[in-house]
Amino acid sequence: SAVISQKPSRDICQRGTSLTIQCQVDSQVTMMFWYRQQPGQSLTLIATANQGSEATYESGFVIDKFPISRPNLTFSTLTVSNMSPEDSSIYLCSALHGANSGYTFGSGTRLTVV
Amino acid sequence: GQQVMQIPQYQHVQEGEDFTTYCNSSTTLSNIQWYKQRPGGHPVFLIQLVKSGEVKKQKRLTFQFGEAKKNSSLHITATQTTDVGTYFCAGHRRGTASKLTFGTGTRLQVTL
Repeated sequence: SAVISQKPSRDICQRGTSLTIQCQVDSQVTMMFWYRQQPGQSLTLIATANQGSEATYESGFVIDKFPISRPNLTFSTLTVSNMSPEDSSIYLCSALHGANSGYTFGSGTRLTVV
Repeated sequence: GQQVMQIPQYQHVQEGEDFTTYCNSSTTLSNIQWYKQRPGGHPVFLIQLVKSGEVKKQKRLTFQFGEAKKNSSLHITATQTTDVGTYFCAGHRRGTASKLTFGTGTRLQVTL
């Protein structure tokens, strides 16, 4: 299965600023996904990032708040813009490597907005 | 929208006891996947079930997919402290090949 390097692993940010999270996959993958997970909660899909096209956002998430880039088949970034304390959460990227191999996740970014 | 619920939300067992978590979807699924997330870690893929009524085993773990493809279960026999973590089911709704919806999760605590 693929290995995903995600950074930063954690950050404390001032409200009103933006943070860009990066994910690098060790092999080419068609689809990458960005999730948000509140501590002790399940994972909520933010958007699907396909190379060469705009990301597809889930209900409740918009591009202006969470712009995503997918410049090639091994890399993606998620930016959390104009942050507020409500954006404090764990953000995870994920990739689908094969039809029966399940999804591989990055190690997550723990974001605290103060 | 699609909802995937798991019960129980939390279970505390003594090492050696069995454990089962149940997963129920509001819609029919094309497949069901199970993930384990250790405390402070990220979800790790365990298994995928595709066929109606399918049963798969991984050592002490037994996974089942319901006949109607709307529910699933994970059973752990003789739990060990290494089984500690949160177990999530996740499914693809039929016709949405890429969008994976995660269940609410069951947190398992195992003590000696």
